[in-house]
Amino acid sequence: GAVVSQHPSRVICKSGTSVKIECRSLDFQATTMFWYRQFPKKSLMLMATSNEGSKATYEQGVEKDKFLINHASLTLSTLTVTSAHPEDSSFYICSYSTGTYEQYFGPGTRLTVT
Amino acid sequence: AQSVTQPDIHITVSEGASLELRCNYSYGATPYLFWYVQSPGQGLQLLLKYFSGDTLVQGIKGFEAEFKRSQSSFNLRKPSVHWSDAAEYFCAVGANSGNTPLVFGKGTRLSVIA
Repeated sequence: GAVVSQHPSRVICKSGTSVKIECRSLDFQATTMFWYRQFPKKSLMLMATSNEGSKATYEQGVEKDKFLINHASLTLSTLTVTSAHPEDSSFYICSYSTGTYEQYFGPGTRLTVT
Repeated sequence: AQSVTQPDIHITVSEGASLELRCNYSYGATPYLFWYVQSPGQGLQLLLKYFSGDTLVQGIKGFEAEFKRSQSSFNLRKPSVHWSDAAEYFCAVGANSGNTPLVFGKGTRLSVIA
């Protein structure tokens, strides 16, 4: 099956700094990728849909100026958490669709803001 | 819009016993249904999926699920649970478009006791 990587797998940053998370599709060119956020012991919450070459579409309640998404190529999408605060600590997961109604998920990135 | 309900937040099963995790969906058209498993701190692993055809689908790790349109259900089953099956299980539904995100249920946490 399709392979998705995320980097870093874990990151700890200080409050007020920015963190960039990369999501790469290793064997497929993905025009659409999705970013999810998962709070401890909770389900996945869709944050935004990332479209290659165009602006991301954010879900209601997600601050687009805080969570910057860049889908610069068919194999790379990045999520930047700007001016991170402790409440941004979470597990962030990317995925992409192959167009066959399936999604392939990255292994996730654990962000801890101190 | 589609939605997924997993009625059981937490289930405890004895090792070797059978397992059934419930999932009910709401979607106006033919749904695309998935079960994922997540171990603590890890990403999502696809267990099985239903797109069409045989309503009983086989997955990895000895899991199976049955699609029942009349009950809007897609319950996950395993005849004999192993201790390594302890994890969080998510049911998800997809729309009939490859580039729309999956909608997840809130998950069921499975504990396995000796």
